[in-house]
Amino acid sequence: AQTVTQSQPEMSVQEAETVTLSCTYDTSENNYYLFWYKQPPSRQMILVIRQEAYKQQNATENRFSVNFQKAAKSFSLKISDSQLGDTAMYFCAFMRGGSYIPTFGRGTSLIVHP
Amino acid sequence: DAGVIQSPRHEVTEMGQEVTLRCKPISGHDYLFWYRQTMMRGLELLIYFNNNVPIDDSGMPEDRFSAKMPNASFSTLKIQPSEPRDSAVYFCASSLGRRRGGRQETQYFGPGTRLLVL
Repeated sequence: AQTVTQSQPEMSVQEAETVTLSCTYDTSENNYYLFWYKQPPSRQMILVIRQEAYKQQNATENRFSVNFQKAAKSFSLKISDSQLGDTAMYFCAFMRGGSYIPTFGRGTSLIVHP
Repeated sequence: DAGVIQSPRHEVTEMGQEVTLRCKPISGHDYLFWYRQTMMRGLELLIYFNNNVPIDDSGMPEDRFSAKMPNASFSTLKIQPSEPRDSAVYFCASSLGRRRGGRQETQYFGPGTRLLVL
């Protein structure tokens, strides 16, 4: 079974600074997908970024980028120019190719301070 | 697209009452998922459907829970009778599926239903 570990239960950052959230996973699969979801206080789960394991290039979405290290089974999320609206829980998720069922980490609570 | 739609957004009920949560997936999506989120257990998959057929309900906690998907645009999750320990946020999510190209495996979540059972 796959496991997803988010080792940082809580993090904080000053507005406009950069923060990196860590995620590691354990799998023997070669074909899989990785996701970061954001859950603000409204509780809505919002897809932030997605990475296919077969792609070596790191995914980016505006201020959000990932550092995907396949050999190390690491998938960290970097948030640049942090904004107050980035305050949320962030969940890392792993999905084996063809399964359609993600395994979620326990989440990291990020607080952006003004 | 309007995204995944869930209703009600909040529900407060008394122990023993029946609760029905509703979900409308994104149009054209083949997969529909029901999740429950609590502080203690995190995000749990309860059941999922493919083309309106339940595929795996092993996450459904008890016989008090049931889910249906009578057509491609509607699903319900019912709790009868409800108990205080059912208090949680319930999410519905959908994904495209295998036959279509693009990001077919990515799940898109609804806003959730916050359930409180007194």
